[in-house]
Amino acid sequence: NAGVMQNPRHLVRRRGQEARLRCSPMKGHSHVYWYRQLPEEGLKFMVYLQKENIIDESGMPKERFSAEFPKEGPSILRIQQVVRGDSAAYFCASSPEGLAVGNEQFFGPGTRLTVL
Amino acid sequence: AQSVSQHNHHVILSEAASLELGCNYSYGGTVNLFWYVQYPGQHLQLLLKYFSGDPLVKGIKGFEAEFIKSKFSFNLRKPSVQWSDTAEYFCAVTRSYGGATNKLIFGTGTLLAVQP
Repeated sequence: NAGVMQNPRHLVRRRGQEARLRCSPMKGHSHVYWYRQLPEEGLKFMVYLQKENIIDESGMPKERFSAEFPKEGPSILRIQQVVRGDSAAYFCASSPEGLAVGNEQFFGPGTRLTVL
Repeated sequence: AQSVSQHNHHVILSEAASLELGCNYSYGGTVNLFWYVQYPGQHLQLLLKYFSGDPLVKGIKGFEAEFIKSKFSFNLRKPSVQWSDTAEYFCAVTRSYGGATNKLIFGTGTLLAVQP
């Protein structure tokens, strides 16, 4: 059973470009979470999605960031007009149901975004 | 705001030494508690979790943690560390209530180096 897949593993963008990060949850998982890890900091929650729905986006920056989890295909985290401060590791996690029922989140390997 | 504190940022131990990593959270309601580990070059893996019941939780690889509600703590312990335990350890918390968010609030991590 394949784990959570993220691609690309490393992404380099110049300031002003767009970054698209992809996450394929584990088979049978319908809940996806995105976290960001800035240098020297812990992981910070960004957004929680179920299929075709954003459930909690309280950790998303108000501008330039968006996320989706379509009915078919991977979840996408999109960053428009990237700036140097967006350089970080972006982690995706998935779970079969929400954490409130005792499930854990399974993490992917992360995408390391570098903005030049 | 809900927060998680890990007071030890870097810990260096010799093999066979005992380990205790501190974790405190600030939220006063019912919480779920997790310890994740990230080995060099790998993604986050769950070590153990606490939802309810016995406050002494046993995890994988000989790790355990004790939930002390009165101290808002969930410290991680291992009686005898091995070189292979060298990794970064993250404490995380989420609120326990039905539905909505399920986001993990992470501490900043503790980098453990075990010397052979």
